Amino acid sequence: AQTVTQSQPEMSVQEAETVTLSCTYDTSESDYYLFWYKQPPSRQMILVIRQEAYKQQNATENRFSVNFQKAAKSFSLKISDSQLGDAAMYFCAYRSAGSNYQLIWGAGTKLIIKP
Amino acid sequence: NAGVTQTPKFQVLKTGQSMTLQCAQDMNHEYMSWYRQDPGMGLRLIHYSVGAGITDQGEVPNGYNVSRSTTEDFPLRLLSAAPSQTSVYFCASSRGTGETQYFGPGTRLLVL
Repeated sequence: AQTVTQSQPEMSVQEAETVTLSCTYDTSESDYYLFWYKQPPSRQMILVIRQEAYKQQNATENRFSVNFQKAAKSFSLKISDSQLGDAAMYFCAYRSAGSNYQLIWGAGTKLIIKP
Repeated sequence: NAGVTQTPKFQVLKTGQSMTLQCAQDMNHEYMSWYRQDPGMGLRLIHYSVGAGITDQGEVPNGYNVSRSTTEDFPLRLLSAAPSQTSVYFCASSRGTGETQYFGPGTRLLVL
């Protein structure tokens, strides 16, 4: 069975600096999708970034980028120029590209932004 | 375009009561799902649907029922509420397998 591990329960960063959140996963599949979701205090789940395993190029979305290491089964999220609005829980998630519809979630990392 | 909507936002139930959490989407998505989120844990899949008339169980289906009579709606029914079902419930939809899931705002449920 697939698993997703986020080893950092909490991270803090100074405003305008860069922070990296870690995520590792375990799977025997070769084709899958990886996601980072943000959950602010409002509890709404917001997609931050999506990566397809067959793409070697790391996904980027403005200040957010990932370091996808398929062989190491690692999928870290880098947030550049951190802003106060980035404060939230961040969840890493995995989904098989096959017929299994289920998203497998990590336990989350709480990101604190220091002004 | 409202996206995914959920009602109610917050509900208090007594043990043994039943209720239905509503979920609707206006994006014509085939796939819909229900998750629960408990403190310190990621989301866990309760039930999902790959289209109208088709549903299947997720990781934690016990105590919940679903149906999908239309593409737009995917209600979640609690048959006999238990304190262990106190949680935040999220509904999500996506266009297809592997596509990005869009989440509703969540329903916070407290079972006394």
